[in-house]
Amino acid sequence: DAGVTQSPTHLIKTRGQQVTLRCSPKSGHDTVSWYQQALGQGPQFIFQYYEEEERQRGNFPDRFSGHQFPNYSSELNVNALLLGDSALYLCASSSPGAGGYTEAFFGQGTRLTVV
Amino acid sequence: LAKTTQPISMDSYEGQEVNITCSHNNIATNDYITWYQQFPSQGPRFIIQGYKTKVTNEVASLFIPADRKSSTLSLPRVSLSDTAVYYCLVGDLRGNMLTFGGGTRLMVKP
Repeated sequence: DAGVTQSPTHLIKTRGQQVTLRCSPKSGHDTVSWYQQALGQGPQFIFQYYEEEERQRGNFPDRFSGHQFPNYSSELNVNALLLGDSALYLCASSSPGAGGYTEAFFGQGTRLTVV
Repeated sequence: LAKTTQPISMDSYEGQEVNITCSHNNIATNDYITWYQQFPSQGPRFIIQGYKTKVTNEVASLFIPADRKSSTLSLPRVSLSDTAVYYCLVGDLRGNMLTFGGGTRLMVKP
């Protein structure tokens, strides 16, 4: 059973460009959350997708957008990249259940460097 | 969301028991306490979760006093491979919109 898979693992972009990161959730999970982790800091919640809709959003600008597909996989898009967007981007999947959400499983992340 | 406070770093030696305490004075009645472990360049990994008293699994124990304003993660007989950042989270059950603080960097020495 594959866990959460993210692609690509590493990416270098130039300021002002746009980037798309991809995530496939763990089998059986239908909820995908994205996090940004700057060097030396804890992950920060960006947004969460469920049933192909953004359900919750953290304190991130509209340059950050996403999408969830019918197979529950998800994309994170960042427009007009800034140097400060350089970070490890983590995808986590989970699933609501009778006793509350299942634990979140994280992928290995995508290391984005903006130059 | 309840804010958590935990030590920035801790050092230990192989074979010792390590206790990491987290303060969460504003924890809400329906909040759970969850601990995650993260190795460099990897995603966080769920360790343990509890609501009150004591929870134990194959990896760790979690002690929560009656007032729930703090919690202690206990790692028995640590090894070098336990060197990682440990995050204490308070809030919704497990997988929903996790709020991470700065974490505790545990360094296990030989």
